[in-house]
Amino acid sequence: GNSVTQMEGPVTLSEEAFLTINCTYTATGYPSLFWYVQYPGEGLQLLLKATKADDKGSNKGFEATYRKETTSFHLEKGSVQVSDSAVYFCARSQGGSEKLVFGKGTKLTVNP
Amino acid sequence: DGGITQSPKYLFRKEGQNVTLSCEQNLNHDAMYWYRQDPGQGLRLIYYSQIVNDFQKGDIAEGYSVSREKKESFPLTVTSAQKNPTAFYLCASSRGGGERNEKLFFGSGTQLSVL
Repeated sequence: GNSVTQMEGPVTLSEEAFLTINCTYTATGYPSLFWYVQYPGEGLQLLLKATKADDKGSNKGFEATYRKETTSFHLEKGSVQVSDSAVYFCARSQGGSEKLVFGKGTKLTVNP
Repeated sequence: DGGITQSPKYLFRKEGQNVTLSCEQNLNHDAMYWYRQDPGQGLRLIYYSQIVNDFQKGDIAEGYSVSREKKESFPLTVTSAQKNPTAFYLCASSRGGGERNEKLFFGSGTQLSVL
């Protein structure tokens, strides 16, 4: 089964609202954790990452903290903008390689 | 500008036909990947290559084939054996070396549809 589980979407928010997208993972050992973002019609771009427990990744106002005790890596942003509308993917590294296992993605729409 | 280029952006396949999706990178990356994206299913790994002239099957390799004759190129062929080929195909690359915290660079994708 899929070892990365994301909050089901779609998520619709008003501009300046607080965003949380939940992500939990299953893994042996200590994988690296990532959030990727996909804008309409494009490939994925790395948004942020964390490589060990208690690390916080941050970028463009988004944050996520690697929580080993709850095997979680929830994405948060204090005040979303219309331009944040996209699909967000949580991912973890697989084994000792650069291959990634992705969650199913969460579509976010921010309305003005 | 360095990057990863996929072509074409849209591709149509007839019944029983093989089609090839192109992926080229000028990032000097050793590792390259093909993912398939279906609505509501996220990304699934088809094939990956960690070095020239070598590649491995991913989770859903059946009905697909690849080659890695050059470092910068990793074409994907969708064969007639793939019964449900309609999807968005994403190519990616990374530096290689097996570092688990390396990021992937993605192309802008190819949408394949069946006529």
